[in-house]
Amino acid sequence: AQSVTQLDSHVSVSEGTPVLLRCNYSSSYSPSLFWYVQHPNKGLQLLLKYTSAATLVKGINGFEAEFKKSETSFHLTKPSAHMSDAAEYFCVVSGLYYGNNRLAFGKGNQVVVIP
Amino acid sequence: SAVISQKPSRDICQRGTSLTIQCQVDSQVTMMFWYRQQPGQSLTLIATANQGSEATYESGFVIDKFPISRPNLTFSTLTVSNMSPEDSSIYLCSVGTGGSLNEKLFFGSGTQLSVL
Repeated sequence: AQSVTQLDSHVSVSEGTPVLLRCNYSSSYSPSLFWYVQHPNKGLQLLLKYTSAATLVKGINGFEAEFKKSETSFHLTKPSAHMSDAAEYFCVVSGLYYGNNRLAFGKGNQVVVIP
Repeated sequence: SAVISQKPSRDICQRGTSLTIQCQVDSQVTMMFWYRQQPGQSLTLIATANQGSEATYESGFVIDKFPISRPNLTFSTLTVSNMSPEDSSIYLCSVGTGGSLNEKLFFGSGTQLSVL
């Protein structure tokens, strides 16, 4: 089975400063890793994904994440926060388990951007 | 991509009643899923809605409490039965459109349920 840990349920950043959201995972299999974003009253939207290709993954809206197997981490970063980045962010891990994909979601990071 | 329409977006219900949540997709999809997100918790898979057969429930979820219908490849419903305040959550419909679940997974905007 797999699990995901996202610390800091609420994260405040000033506009124009870097964003760092931490994600650590455990998985018995080679995982696929995802970051999703959910804006208020909107569905979950895929930001980026890692599926055993390049370890540094670039996503939409200037976000990127680096897969570090030795640290079992997949932290999400953005060099400069924008007001539109205020949302909830979920780290998700998936790994084949008896032929069926299983997704494990982190508890999410609620990001507030301060003008 | 897939566009998912989920309704109602929110509801306030009385204890002991039932609520049916609808999920409509703009294209035929093989896999449809229902998730629950309780306050302060991560998303938890309730069940996989299978077209033409009974839904497959995850551990801790049963058909009597969360009956699911999947009459065709574009539509599914989840009913939360005999509700109690512990059922207050966000319920999300999700679909997989690719051969691999990981590659193409889309989510509805969710149903915010509050049970009094």
